[in-house]
Amino acid sequence: SAVISQKPSRDICQRGTSLTIQCQVDSQVTMMFWYRQQPGQSLTLIATANQGSEATYESGFVIDKFPISRPNLTFSTLTVSNMSPEDSSIYLCSVEDRMNTEAFFGQGTRLTVV
Amino acid sequence: DQQVKQNSPSLSVQEGRISILNCDYTNSMFDYFLWYKKYPAEGPTFLISISSIKDKNEDGRFTVFLNKSAKHLSLHIVPSQPGDSAVYFCAARWTQGGSEKLVFGKGTKLTVNP
Repeated sequence: SAVISQKPSRDICQRGTSLTIQCQVDSQVTMMFWYRQQPGQSLTLIATANQGSEATYESGFVIDKFPISRPNLTFSTLTVSNMSPEDSSIYLCSVEDRMNTEAFFGQGTRLTVV
Repeated sequence: DQQVKQNSPSLSVQEGRISILNCDYTNSMFDYFLWYKKYPAEGPTFLISISSIKDKNEDGRFTVFLNKSAKHLSLHIVPSQPGDSAVYFCAARWTQGGSEKLVFGKGTKLTVNP
């Protein structure tokens, strides 16, 4: 299993500002995933972050809005840029254990944009 | 288009009875199905999974059934305990463009009453 530390756990931000969410894993992983869970909705994959290459974004998500860094095999950041109230969500980072076909999640960042 | 559907947003059962959480999917390319449990302010944690080539997988009090012809899976918890009260997410895995992706349902909030 993997232990994932994600911070901040929550934040309230002004519209138009940006927030960077950090994700630290206790082991080296090839891919890290960033999800969003809007109120009443399912977890939706934003992008996949590979170390040493640009992140791969899902349909509806763009790098300018959600820039991602992956400087090494244990760390990643997701920035929510130029925030609006519609960005109020829980953001989660995740890694997968290929041997067991499981995904492990951080505790999430609850973002409220006012 | 929601590929994984959990049509019951909530379920309430008595302690000691069986809890049955249902999940329907539309994509026949899914090859693996997973259930996650989520407590408030925590990230989802893996519970149990099933390969698409099987129809049942059991782990202690938790059993997952897969009916491929109906594109339906269910999670049975018996006997239910108050500590099982959480939101349960059904997820399905498929491979697209050489990478694996997880698609989640919206979740079902289970309340087990003492």
